Amino acid sequence: DQQVKQNSPSLSVQEGRISILNCDYTNSMFDYFLWYKKYPAEGPTFLISISSIKDKNEDGRFTVFLNKSAKHLSLHIVPSQPGDSAVYFCAARLRQGAQKLVFGQGTRLTINP
Amino acid sequence: GAVVSQHPSRVICKSGTSVKIECRSLDFQATTMFWYRQFPKQSLMLMATSNEGSKATYEQGVEKDKFLINHASLTLSTLTVTSAHPEDSSFYICSVRQGNTEAFFGQGTRLTVV
Repeated sequence: DQQVKQNSPSLSVQEGRISILNCDYTNSMFDYFLWYKKYPAEGPTFLISISSIKDKNEDGRFTVFLNKSAKHLSLHIVPSQPGDSAVYFCAARLRQGAQKLVFGQGTRLTINP
Repeated sequence: GAVVSQHPSRVICKSGTSVKIECRSLDFQATTMFWYRQFPKQSLMLMATSNEGSKATYEQGVEKDKFLINHASLTLSTLTVTSAHPEDSSFYICSVRQGNTEAFFGQGTRLTVV
């Protein structure tokens, strides 16, 4: 049962344009959402997060949008840079218990020069 | 953010042997650490939650006798893969959480069982 889904395994974007990565979730008990960036053979690096009480959070070139009614979040990167090429994971935190993170399958973003 | 160091980064072992992976929180005392596994082109799957001074909490389907977790101090958790088999070959990653928000991850360990 995949509670967090990233339906696009890969995405290619031209340098300088906007990259939009999408994530859907099914569990209404998630109260916090995070995006991580991962390079091969490395651990994920935290990018940006959003609480379920908000609908937008912005940090420099990165903006995360949350649509609770649709159980959907997205990460916008603008302008996209070659160094943004990586695998991006969205994750959701369960409100109860150990507050563990549930990850999506990841989307491989390639920024073309 | 917290700095998490994982060792070794890569290990190759023979089938039937045991392998220990260390996860250290270098600048933060972590009462809880998390162990994940990632198969190629798949998501990070939580294996267990490591609790300092007490038993780890394992996710459904993860064999606690095969994946031994020890969290003896606030800065060190170890994962031992016992009697390793080729199907245990994977990328193992630990994380710590500072506060209630984002987790900080180690660099991961690529385990190959031959």
